[in-house]
Amino acid sequence: GAVVSQHPSRVICKSGTSVKIECRSLDFQATTMFWYRQFPKKSLMLMATSNEGSKATYEQGVEKDKFLINHASLTLSTLTVTSAHPEDSSFYICSARPLQGSYEQYFGPGTRLTVT
Amino acid sequence: EDQVTQSPEALRLQEGESSSLNCSYTVSGLRGLFWYRQDPGKGPEFLFTLYSAGEEKEKERLKATLTKKESFLHITAPKPEDSATYLCAVASNYQLIWGAGTKLIIKP
Repeated sequence: GAVVSQHPSRVICKSGTSVKIECRSLDFQATTMFWYRQFPKKSLMLMATSNEGSKATYEQGVEKDKFLINHASLTLSTLTVTSAHPEDSSFYICSARPLQGSYEQYFGPGTRLTVT
Repeated sequence: EDQVTQSPEALRLQEGESSSLNCSYTVSGLRGLFWYRQDPGKGPEFLFTLYSAGEEKEKERLKATLTKKESFLHITAPKPEDSATYLCAVASNYQLIWGAGTKLIIKP
């Protein structure tokens, strides 16, 4: 149980283009989903928290116009990196929280983004 | 300020050599402490949740314990497949505060 998928697992795009990453909870409903970024040999950095049907809450320093988050349903959240630049290259990971009032998060396998 | 500190940063063990990883925390109102395992290039895999001091949980060769100030992840007779980075996180205000992780390497 508590399986989260991400698509794509790897993506290479050209500078200036946009990339969309999907995060799905496969066997549970997630009222809240989280998007993280992870740099090599570093821990997870929370980018934003999204609740189904409402606007995402972004962490300080994260550009909301650059990292667009949509949480359209209880099983799907998307992260769109707009006008990507090489410095946006990173490992992006989503997580989902199954129940309201619960703190446990279940993670997707991650997406490796490379911007050339 | 809420903070989570993991030690050591890296730990190399021989197969079968038991040891412990530490996660120290300062948080205003603990709502849960979580252990995850992360393999290179993968998302973290959930291992345990601990809610109150004195609580213990076990899974195969892993055992997590919790006090009011820290948690330990004990690994008994580890195997090379236990090699990974182990992450600790503390719940505060519906967000998780993450430690930097301990990279565990088990040599055959």
